[in-house]
Amino acid sequence: AQTVTQSQPEMSVQEAETVTLSCTYDTSESDYYLFWYKQPPSRQMILVIRQEAYKQQNATENRFSVNFQKAAKSFSLKISDSQLGDAAMYFCAYRSRYNFNKFYFGSGTKLNVKP
Amino acid sequence: KAGVTQTPRYLIKTRGQQVTLSCSPISGHRSVSWYQQTPGQGLQFLFEYFSETQRNKGNFPGRFSGRQFSNSRSEMNVSTLELGDSALYLCASSLGMTDSGNTIYFGEGSWLTVV
Repeated sequence: AQTVTQSQPEMSVQEAETVTLSCTYDTSESDYYLFWYKQPPSRQMILVIRQEAYKQQNATENRFSVNFQKAAKSFSLKISDSQLGDAAMYFCAYRSRYNFNKFYFGSGTKLNVKP
Repeated sequence: KAGVTQTPRYLIKTRGQQVTLSCSPISGHRSVSWYQQTPGQGLQFLFEYFSETQRNKGNFPGRFSGRQFSNSRSEMNVSTLELGDSALYLCASSLGMTDSGNTIYFGEGSWLTVV
């Protein structure tokens, strides 16, 4: 079975600084996707970034980038130039290539942004 | 374009009662999946529907059921409610059973409190 682990329950970052959230996963599959979702107080899950496992290149979306280490089964999220609006719960998620809508989520990391 | 709409947003039920939650997917999306979010268990996959058929089911008791209508709207039902069913129930929609980096989009959830 697939498992996703986020070992940092809570983190803090100063506004305009950079922070990295960690995620590891366990799977026996070779084809899969990895995601980072943000959940603000409104509770709506918002997609931050997505990575295809078959791609060597790390995904980037504006201030958000990932460090994907397939052999180590590690998938960290780096947020540059942190903004107050980045404060939220962040969930790492795994999806098998062929299980299109079944996601496995980590336990989440609460990110605090200090002004 | 309207997002995923869930109703009701908040509800309180008594142990032993049943509850029905509704989800309207993004226009054009044919797949709906449901997740339960609790502080103790985190985000867990309940089930997934595509073209009115359940395609996948998570590890939940038979008290949890769902269905999808021809317009892709979905309902989930929980019978004989237990205190442990208190949770945020999130619905997500996607285009469907496609491997083109399928991304799911979440609604804001239905908060269920069982007393």
